[in-house]
Amino acid sequence: QQQVKQSPQSLIVQKGGISIINCAYENTAFDYFPWYQQFPGKGPALLIAIRPDVSEKKEGRFTISFNKSAKQFSLHIMDSQPGDSATYFCAASINTNAGKSTFGDGTTLTVKP
Amino acid sequence: DVKVTQSSRYLVKRTGEKVFLECVQDMDHENMFWYRQDPGLGLRLIYFSYDVKMKEKGDIPEGYSVSREKKERFSLILESASTNQTSMYLCASSPAGLAVTGELFFGEGSRLTVL
Repeated sequence: QQQVKQSPQSLIVQKGGISIINCAYENTAFDYFPWYQQFPGKGPALLIAIRPDVSEKKEGRFTISFNKSAKQFSLHIMDSQPGDSATYFCAASINTNAGKSTFGDGTTLTVKP
Repeated sequence: DVKVTQSSRYLVKRTGEKVFLECVQDMDHENMFWYRQDPGLGLRLIYFSYDVKMKEKGDIPEGYSVSREKKERFSLILESASTNQTSMYLCASSPAGLAVTGELFFGEGSRLTVL
């Protein structure tokens, strides 16, 4: 049973556009929702994360929107750039199981110049 | 700069061989993890460890074992490699206790091909 469902699997966006990636979770005990960014040949690295006590978190061009009642969260990349082309993973964890995260399947983002 | 180092970036092994994947972290983290990454399947947890000599099974432990003899080192072992274990293997670490943030720190991965 997949606990974190991510969509779309791939996404192509024009430079300057908005990229949106969605995730849905099932376990209401999850209390930490990170997004990881992975470039080819590299390991994933934390991009931005949110806890369920807030509905939105923004860091530069990256924003997480969180809907606790719907058990959904999404990543918005504003003014997308070719350098944002990467694979993005959403994840969810219970903080007392520090770091034992459940990951979505990943979204490959391509930003065309 | 914090670092998780996986000693082998690319390996090619034959079916039935014993394979060791080594991971070392320099952040004094208590928790260490081995994930497997396959296209369209995301990252799946194989094994994890919260302390030296301690290990727990993740979601897909079959065919794998681990060893953690020192805090900084976590090894993944394939006792008898099979072709369906061809994959990218990612090691990660995270702090525990008061330093808990939930963030995982990943190595760059070990791409294993089993022929």
